Amino acid sequence: AQSVSQHNHHVILSEAASLELGCNYSYGGTVNLFWYVQYPGQHLQLLLKYFSGDPLVKGIKGFEAEFIKSKFSFNLRKPSVQWSDTAEYFCAVKAYTGTASKLTFGTGTRLQVTL
Amino acid sequence: EPEVTQTPSHQVTQMGQEVILRCVPISNHLYFYWYRQILGQKVEFLVSFYNNEISEKSEIFDDQFSVERPDGSNFTLKIRSTKLEDSAMYFCASSELGRVGDNSPLHFGNGTRLTVT
Repeated sequence: AQSVSQHNHHVILSEAASLELGCNYSYGGTVNLFWYVQYPGQHLQLLLKYFSGDPLVKGIKGFEAEFIKSKFSFNLRKPSVQWSDTAEYFCAVKAYTGTASKLTFGTGTRLQVTL
Repeated sequence: EPEVTQTPSHQVTQMGQEVILRCVPISNHLYFYWYRQILGQKVEFLVSFYNNEISEKSEIFDDQFSVERPDGSNFTLKIRSTKLEDSAMYFCASSELGRVGDNSPLHFGNGTRLTVT
């Protein structure tokens, strides 16, 4: 079965600092990869997704992620974080194990951006 | 932008009682899902639903759980006899497609916080 590991549970950064959140997955077949964000009190929102093609994908709000197949990784990056980026970030893997796909989430990384 | 809507936002129930969590998926979506997040833990898959039947379910989704699409718009999760450990945030999601190789993401609702006392 597929699994997702997020190594950073809680990250605290100052505004304008650069961000990189790690995500590694375990699955032998074809996967699609996602980052979701959950702002306080809100629902999960899609930040970006990778399906095929260019392994460097750009998402909303200046976020990007790079799929490195050899490392089974899909790290999330942002060159300069803002206070409004304070949220919980979830990496997710979509694998095809049955008649329909399902998302498997990592444990999440809580990002706190200080002024 | 179309949204997945869930009601109620918070439900408190006593152990042993039945609860029904309601969801209205995005109208042109065909695949529906329930996930849950116990406080402080990761988001876990419960069940996927397509063409009026369950496509896949996790080990969590035992006989106490059931899903239904009673009409053309609602998608419900029923827990027949709630336990304390059912306390969690329950998220409904929908996607336009869900077959092998599709590239449609899941759209999530705001969640229902279920508290079992």
